Amino acid sequence: DVKVTQSSRYLVKRTGEKVFLECVQDMDHENMFWYRQDPGLGLRLIYFSYDVKMKEKGDIPEGYSVSREKKERFSLILESASTNQTSMYLCASSPLGTGDTGELFFGEGSRLTVL
Amino acid sequence: GDSVTQMEGPVTLSEEAFLTINCTYTATGYPSLFWYVQYPGEGLQLLLKATKADDKGSNKGFEATYRKETTSFHLEKGSVQVSDSAVYFCALGRNTNAGKSTFGDGTTLTVKP
Repeated sequence: DVKVTQSSRYLVKRTGEKVFLECVQDMDHENMFWYRQDPGLGLRLIYFSYDVKMKEKGDIPEGYSVSREKKERFSLILESASTNQTSMYLCASSPLGTGDTGELFFGEGSRLTVL
Repeated sequence: GDSVTQMEGPVTLSEEAFLTINCTYTATGYPSLFWYVQYPGEGLQLLLKATKADDKGSNKGFEATYRKETTSFHLEKGSVQVSDSAVYFCALGRNTNAGKSTFGDGTTLTVKP
């Protein structure tokens, strides 16, 4: 069974803390994505990566950075957490090959609260 | 660029009612179309997909047909159950190395007994 695992389901952090959200996929997928989901705003793309050490900004990259040192792992970093970063964070991956469709495989989400 | 417009919610139905959630898209080329479902407290999971015009995706009693002439991918189910209560997202995807998906805003479905 394909699997995307996010390291923490629930986190509570304080303003100004550095926060790491980890995502690991076991499907050898090339593409990986970080989204945030907020009520009334749908899914918004923060960053994505199509290869190791490659990253591209999504629609709302401000306040975030990412790291992809290994193909299976994509980390989202909040350098200095703020209350407006309280949200549900979703990691996803997708394969890149003949016959692949762009289907995304999602993790279960990490709900971050910044106090 | 790509865009997806999804029927606004929330939608509340009684058990065994017929469900339609409208989805239209704007895109160049030949994207794939998807419906994802998100149950409370969980991530999104694929419900069904269609990869070319006139394809019908189906799963768990849900169906959607890729209509290129009307640029639509409406989700239907003949008889909903309480367990279908969830948020439904229509999405457009591409198989490229910058293959970002484009999502609709999501429709919250509540099914009452």
